[in-house]
Amino acid sequence: KNQVEQSPQSLIILEGKNCTLQCNYTVSPFSNLRWYKQDTGRGPVSLTIMTFSENTKSNGRYTATLDADTKQSSLHITASQLSDSASYICVVSVEASGGSYIPTFGRGTSLIVHP
Amino acid sequence: NAGVTQTPKFRVLKTGQSMTLLCAQDMNHEYMYWYRQDPGMGLRLIHYSVGEGTTAKGEVPDGYNVSRLKKQNFLLGLESAAPSQTSVYFCASSYEWEAYGEQYFGPGTRLTVT
Repeated sequence: KNQVEQSPQSLIILEGKNCTLQCNYTVSPFSNLRWYKQDTGRGPVSLTIMTFSENTKSNGRYTATLDADTKQSSLHITASQLSDSASYICVVSVEASGGSYIPTFGRGTSLIVHP
Repeated sequence: NAGVTQTPKFRVLKTGQSMTLLCAQDMNHEYMYWYRQDPGMGLRLIHYSVGEGTTAKGEVPDGYNVSRLKKQNFLLGLESAAPSQTSVYFCASSYEWEAYGEQYFGPGTRLTVT
């Protein structure tokens, strides 16, 4: 079972509408949780980074929340634009052997924004 | 600044052939990483480097080797390619270790092994 589960797998919305993407994780302890945006054929681009002690972080129209007690995070997109069409990936940095941290990536949510 | 660049963008190999993927960054970052991305799966860390001359294994290192002879370059080698290595490979770099700092990704290399 994947340690970082994202839902929904895909989502279609109309331009201008809001949407919320979910990320549930089972790993602990972790150092931070990130959300990335990946356009088709491109590398991921960082949207937000939150440590376990933070519960919200905004980047323009993107707002991420984190509930470390329930191990859930969400990414809220406000007033969607056509350029928001992309895959959104949740990443949790998990403590590995030797005290290092290894990133664990979710499979992503594919968002399509229609005009 | 070009950021993180990867060479080549596409490559087709036959089983058993070897090749090297090149990653270059111009941000003076200490940390560099190689990932693979497969359909229906999240990115997985292959190898990483915490500085010039150092490398370490990630989650899925088997079948790959890496070298970091210069701070700005991180090379990923496949000595004997297998169809299971068909994937999109991403390089990334960061100023701090990824657990604490932002990672910058390259555009990816799409590799097909027949």
